[in-house]
Amino acid sequence: GQNIDQPTEMTATEGAIVQINCTYQTSGFNGLFWYQQHAGEAPTFLSYNVLDGLEEKGRFSSFLSRSKGYSYLLLKELQMKDSASYLCAAPFSGGYNKLIFGAGTRLAVHP
Amino acid sequence: ETGVTQTPRHLVMGMTNKKSLKCEQHLGHNAMYWYKQSAKKPLELMFVYNFKEQTENNSVPSRFSPECPNSSHLFLHLHTLQPEDSALYLCASSQEGQPQHFGDGTRLSIL
Repeated sequence: GQNIDQPTEMTATEGAIVQINCTYQTSGFNGLFWYQQHAGEAPTFLSYNVLDGLEEKGRFSSFLSRSKGYSYLLLKELQMKDSASYLCAAPFSGGYNKLIFGAGTRLAVHP
Repeated sequence: ETGVTQTPRHLVMGMTNKKSLKCEQHLGHNAMYWYKQSAKKPLELMFVYNFKEQTENNSVPSRFSPECPNSSHLFLHLHTLQPEDSALYLCASSQEGQPQHFGDGTRLSIL
C-alpha cells in the first residue's frame, strides 16, 4: 500500500534546531515534498528531494534516503514564526500530480 | 498572496442546500486540484484537472461535483452534503512536475 508517516506534534525552543522525520511507502517514487502550513492559511512549498542527500535552503534543509524510504526536515535557529504544521508528501501511482500527504507534524516553538 | 484565490473563505450550509466553491489561479498553470483537509487527518486529494480535463477522481462521492471551464478556474458544486463533509477544502494549481501552489481554502460547516 501507499502510506506516509510523521510524528503528530513536536515542541522546541527558540534558537534551537529541530528535525522532523517522515517515512513513506509509495509505488513509483517521484520525489518527496515538504510543505509548511500556518493555522488558517494555505500550505506553502518548502522543498523537493528526488535524489539521496541533503538539500539546504537557508535555515531549512531536507534530507532523503530512497533505500530507507525516509526523509527529514531540519529547521535551524528556530524562530517563533516557525510554529506551524509541516506536511510531508509524495507523488503516487507514478504521477507527479497526484500527491499523498502525511497527517502533518504540528511544531510549537517556545521562547 | 499565493496566486490561488478561493471564495468563499467560510461557508455554513444545511444538508439540503446547494452551493459552489470557487477557485481561481493567476499563475498560468495547467493543472488544478481539489483537496479535503479534516482535523487531524492528512490532506486528501479529491480531483485533478489537466488542461481542463479531469484526470483523477479519488473515489469522491457524487454529492461533490467539480467543474473546470478553463485552465484558470475550478469549481466544486455541493449538494445534499453530510455532517462528515465539514472540513477545509483546498484548491491548488501547478505546472507538470512542479510544486503545487495552494489557496487559503474554504472552511465548510454542514449543519
